[in-house]
Amino acid sequence: AQSVTQPDIHITVSEGASLELRCNYSYGATPYLFWYVQSPGQGLQLLLKYFSGDTLVQGIKGFEAEFKRSQSSFNLRKPSVHWSDAAEYFCAVGASGNTGKLIFGQGTTLQVKP
Amino acid sequence: GAGVSQSPRYKVTKRGQDVTLRCDPISSHATLYWYQQALGQGPEFLTYFNYEAQPDKSGLPSDRFSAERPEGSISTLTIQRTEQRDSAMYRCASSLEIGGSHEQYFGPGTRLTVT
Repeated sequence: AQSVTQPDIHITVSEGASLELRCNYSYGATPYLFWYVQSPGQGLQLLLKYFSGDTLVQGIKGFEAEFKRSQSSFNLRKPSVHWSDAAEYFCAVGASGNTGKLIFGQGTTLQVKP
Repeated sequence: GAGVSQSPRYKVTKRGQDVTLRCDPISSHATLYWYQQALGQGPEFLTYFNYEAQPDKSGLPSDRFSAERPEGSISTLTIQRTEQRDSAMYRCASSLEIGGSHEQYFGPGTRLTVT
């Protein structure tokens, strides 16, 4: 069965430091992969997505992610974190059948220290 | 509309009561998804609509849950005889067309608490 694992439930980084959030997926074929961010009281916002082609994808707010098929990973990175990046981050994979149904990981909560 | 809206934003109900949650998608969007998000978890798929059709109900936890989208726009999710385990955030999303390549736009969610 398809699944997404985000090994880190909470991460704390200092403002200005670099960030990497881990995501591993289980899927037989080339997956559609997504990262979403959820701020308090807000809906989920798409940061970036990977469908095919270049394995390094750029997103909004200075985020990027790299698809590594050999490791079944799609880690999210940002070179310098801002206090406004504090939020919950979800990795998701598009389910088989291409209906748009998403399978989410359990999320990683990012705390930013001043 | 400008974005996906959901109402109510918060709902507290007593166990055994029925509740209906509403989702108003972006007006041009054909496809609408419902997800359930328990505290500390990621969203889990419940069902989706393509226009009025409901091709996949596989995520609905029990027959107490049902969803409609009779005119292919607004959708409702109804939970009958609510139980405490139904307490969760219910999220709705819409996309322009069916398919994994189309971005899903999420509403703010309805927080349901069953006491």
